[in-house]
Amino acid sequence: QVQLVESGGGVVQPGRSLRLSCAASGFTFSNYAIHWVRQAPGKGLEWVAVMSFDGNNEFYADSVKGRFTISRDNPKNTLYLQMNSLRLEDTAVYYCARDQVVYAIRGPFDYWGQGTLITVSS
Amino acid sequence: DIQMTQSPSSLSASVGDRVTITCRASQGISNYLAWFQQKPGKAPKSLIYAIFNLQNGVPSRFSGSGSGTDFTLTISSLQPEDFATYFCLQYSTYPWTFGQGTKVEI
Repeated sequence: QVQLVESGGGVVQPGRSLRLSCAASGFTFSNYAIHWVRQAPGKGLEWVAVMSFDGNNEFYADSVKGRFTISRDNPKNTLYLQMNSLRLEDTAVYYCARDQVVYAIRGPFDYWGQGTLITVSS
Repeated sequence: DIQMTQSPSSLSASVGDRVTITCRASQGISNYLAWFQQKPGKAPKSLIYAIFNLQNGVPSRFSGSGSGTDFTLTISSLQPEDFATYFCLQYSTYPWTFGQGTKVEI
């Protein structure tokens, strides 16, 4: 069965960096774009970034552009989110989610991970 | 950015009720509209894509409709497991944007 498992969350000070991972299984990872979506405590959902199946295309929300970098290692079935210059407002649960269309970024999402919590605090 | 406005923000309903949630986009999004369900402490679950297409395994009491800028999620007969928060998503234009959510309470 399709599984996405996020890791790398924790408490980090403002201005510091953190890297999240999303480990995939149960499907051919290299065929699908994968997204990051976040949810601040008690708030709604915010789309963060996406990387195409082959790693050649990536898109970001304005709120993270220039600070966050999405990448993937297809042989390792893993997606990453490098988060630099973290801010208090980046505090959220971060989910990875699979784009439901093969070989494209068409959306929406069909499968989600369970999420990993990032707390930015001094 | 395209703004997605959901209404109501919350509603109270009983088992067996018909429930309707609306989502309005600030500009046309063609058929790039999806709905998600989220229960407390859990990841969202994908329900509907392209306005009215049910994801695999989603019960037929869920349905979606609409066009252009106005869209609706309907639960025909509310079940105990449907008490949750529902979000719409437009995936027509980057950045993809969600509605603020509708909490369905007993």
